[in-house]
Amino acid sequence: DIQMTQSPSSLSAFVGDRVTITCRASQDISNNLGWIQQKPGKAPKSLIYHASNLQSGVPSKFSGSGSGTDFTLTISSLQPEDSATYYCQQYSSFPFTFGPGTKVDIK
Amino acid sequence: EVQLVESGGGLVQPGGSLRLSCVASGFTFTDFEMTWVRQAPGKGLEWVSYIDFTASAMYYADSVQGRFTISRDNVKNSVYLQMNSLRVEDTAVYYCARGKTGLGGQGTLVTVSS
Repeated sequence: DIQMTQSPSSLSAFVGDRVTITCRASQDISNNLGWIQQKPGKAPKSLIYHASNLQSGVPSKFSGSGSGTDFTLTISSLQPEDSATYYCQQYSSFPFTFGPGTKVDIK
Repeated sequence: EVQLVESGGGLVQPGGSLRLSCVASGFTFTDFEMTWVRQAPGKGLEWVSYIDFTASAMYYADSVQGRFTISRDNVKNSVYLQMNSLRVEDTAVYYCARGKTGLGGQGTLVTVSS
């Protein structure tokens, strides 16, 4: 199975800050990576697919990059509504696997 | 607007069965594979099962292999998860996803308890 790791496990930042989350796969997954946002008490929601493509309706402050084994999710200007846990997910091979999540809080 | 509406969850005893449904709208259903994902209370996300466009290929997590069956009805724009021989550790909110990663529904809670 492909193992997904994320760093940091949590972070706290100010409104307006640029925030970057890193995801690493245990083997090459090309660009078969998605990012998912889950706000407290809510259902998870897909933000990005194929490493860098925004799902419809997702604001452009979110961006993704990377290929192979190393990926990043960037929030260009953090807002209070971005407080959530962010997961990466590989779908290069079965079983699909998720990272453990990165919790983002507002200072 | 893409909509995924899951239903069919509930309280069931260990060893029991449930059938989950997910009705999709806002996109051409036959253009997408579909996936089920679950989240146990207080835990992260876990992939459960996948089905391709025409139900020609299905895959399962080891934890549910042999007990769960995924299916789809391309006329009803729906994907299903038949869950048999349920265990306490199957307790979770179950979500369907468009394609391999397109989570967006509200989920349905399955509680397995005696």
